[in-house]
Amino acid sequence: DAGVTQSPTHLIKTRGQHVTLRCSPISGHKSVSWYQQVLGQGPQFIFQYYEKEERGRGNFPDRFSARQFPNYSSELNVNALLLGDSALYLCASRAVGSGRMGMSTDTQYFGPGTRLTVL
Amino acid sequence: AQTVTQSQPEMSVQEAETVTLSCTYDTSENNYYLFWYKQPPSRQMILVIRQEAYKQQNATENRFSVNFQKAAKSFSLKISDSQLGDTAMYFCAYADRGSTLGRLYFGRGTQLTVWP
Repeated sequence: DAGVTQSPTHLIKTRGQHVTLRCSPISGHKSVSWYQQVLGQGPQFIFQYYEKEERGRGNFPDRFSARQFPNYSSELNVNALLLGDSALYLCASRAVGSGRMGMSTDTQYFGPGTRLTVL
Repeated sequence: AQTVTQSQPEMSVQEAETVTLSCTYDTSENNYYLFWYKQPPSRQMILVIRQEAYKQQNATENRFSVNFQKAAKSFSLKISDSQLGDTAMYFCAYADRGSTLGRLYFGRGTQLTVWP
């Protein structure tokens, strides 16, 4: 079975542009979370979605938005890009309720990330 | 707010030796989860081990084990028989229990290097 997938792998944008990052959760996982990891630091929570509704938001400006689709995939959008938005963006999915054998319902499983560079 | 502190920015160990990575956290909650994630140069975040706070028994996964001291809010990771492939950044993370969703709070990480 496929793990969490993210696209694109790498992205280069210029200041002021808009970017959309995509995430597909593990099959059967209904919760998706987004994290920003700046070089040399631990990931910082941005958003959490469950059943297509936002259920949590970290300390990020309104330039950051996200949504979840009926198939539980998710998009993270960032408007008016700043140099400081350069980071690795990680998506994680989590089973809620009965998890598949071998997968905890209380554990987030991460995708490979999208590396965003803002010039 | 929950915080996670990793006081060792870098650690190194010789292959086949044992190393312990430290982590402390702060929370007012009684029920929660603690995790160690590994992030190799590929940047893929990989779960190493998890601990449920209401369980007194320390979690173990093959060569990886934890020393969970709830009163001291300490959660260290011991890696036995270190292998070259263990070289990675290790993150300690915390999540509240009870919420159906949860969010992870990460420390700043410890870069572990295993040398031959």
